[in-house]
This record gives sequence, structure tokens and C-alpha cells, in this order.
Amino acid sequence: GENVEQHPSTLSVQEGDSAVIKCTYSDSASNYFPWYKQELGKRPQLIIDIRSNVGEKKDQRIAVTLNKTAKHFSLHITETQPEDSAVYFCAASKGSGGSNYKLTFGKGTLLTVNP
Amino acid sequence: EAGVTQSPTHLIKTRGQQATLRCSPISGHTSVYWYQQALGLGLQFLLWYDEGEERNRGNFPPRFSGRQFPNYSSELNVNALELEDSALYLCASSLDGGYSNQPQHFGDGTRLSIL
Repeated sequence: GENVEQHPSTLSVQEGDSAVIKCTYSDSASNYFPWYKQELGKRPQLIIDIRSNVGEKKDQRIAVTLNKTAKHFSLHITETQPEDSAVYFCAASKGSGGSNYKLTFGKGTLLTVNP
Repeated sequence: EAGVTQSPTHLIKTRGQQATLRCSPISGHTSVYWYQQALGLGLQFLLWYDEGEERNRGNFPPRFSGRQFPNYSSELNVNALELEDSALYLCASSLDGGYSNQPQHFGDGTRLSIL
């Protein structure tokens, strides 16, 4: 089955700096890659996603890049702010209509933005 | 629009008992997913229900089961509770999951504690 590795497990940056979180996946058939942000005690929230027919997607200070050949994708946060502090999860899935569909998550990255 | 709602917020049980967790999806969503989030282990896929049928399950023993009702709400049942079942149980919903990789949206979760 699919395996998603996420690095680093913790990341500390100064306010205003950029943060990058990287994930690799094992199943070359995976074609959907969402990122979730989970603040302490709250629900995971979808912040951005990318499909395999696109190499990069941006939404204000957040961007995701996908390298299908290398089977890795990354989350980029620019001009970080203290409210960006949270645990970030990457995930991968393949939409096939089959019974083996599921979203496989990485183990998460704790991002701390220091004022 | 109301989001995914879960009840109860907290549930305290003892070993050997049975627990029932409930989830109401976003209106219009037909797929419901259950995840277990234990400390340090990220989100582990438990079950996927779509149109009232169990479509896929993760690597969990049969004492984890559930169902989906005609109104698309869902129950997760855990029998013969063990200490290791203590975790946050998250429910997510999406449009026709598995067929076109529709984004999953999470509820706040049920914190299950086993004494």
C-alpha cells in the first residue's frame, strides 16, 4: 500500500522567514496531494491541494510543488507569521473508483514561528 | 453551511466496554471517513463509507466497525475496548469519495479515553 514520509518532524523559524516541509510517497499511481493544518486542540483544516496534472499551485503565502518523477511534493510558506504555528500534515491518494481508495497521511510537522 | 459535526466531544470508558461515536457530514456529502489520531502517530485511516456501504477499511481489528445511515450520517463502534484505543477519533466527509479525489473536511473529533 501507499506510504507517505514527511520531513522534518519539527521546524522552528523566525517570523518573516520561509518554511518548507517535504513529503515523499511510494505509489506512483497516487494523483491527489492535500495539505492540512491542525492547530492545538482543533480539527485538521485543508489549506491547499494539488493534483498530478499540475506541477505547482499557489494561494497567497502558501504554495505546493509536485515532482511526479521523484515522487515527492513540498509545502512552502513565505513570510511566516506566529499564527502559522501548527502541525502540518501531507497526504496522498489515488482516485480510482475502486475499493482500495484511501487518504494516507504523513506523520506531521510541528511548525513553530517565533516572533 | 454547517461543517462536519461529531458527538460526543469526550468519552471515557473502561477496558472491555463498548463505545459508539457519531458523525454528521456536510450537507450534500455522501462519503464519510473515520480516522484514529493517537499521540505521535498522525492520522490512521480506519473506515470509509459511501452511499450506505463500507467501501474500505484500514489495518484495524474487526472490533472496529461502523455503519452509514440513509441520511449519510455515520457511527463508529469500538468493541472490547483496550487501553491502546485511547485516541482522538476524527470523522471527515466529502463528495463522492474515491472516484474523483474530492477534498475531505474534518470534524472536531471525539476524544476517547480508556481507563
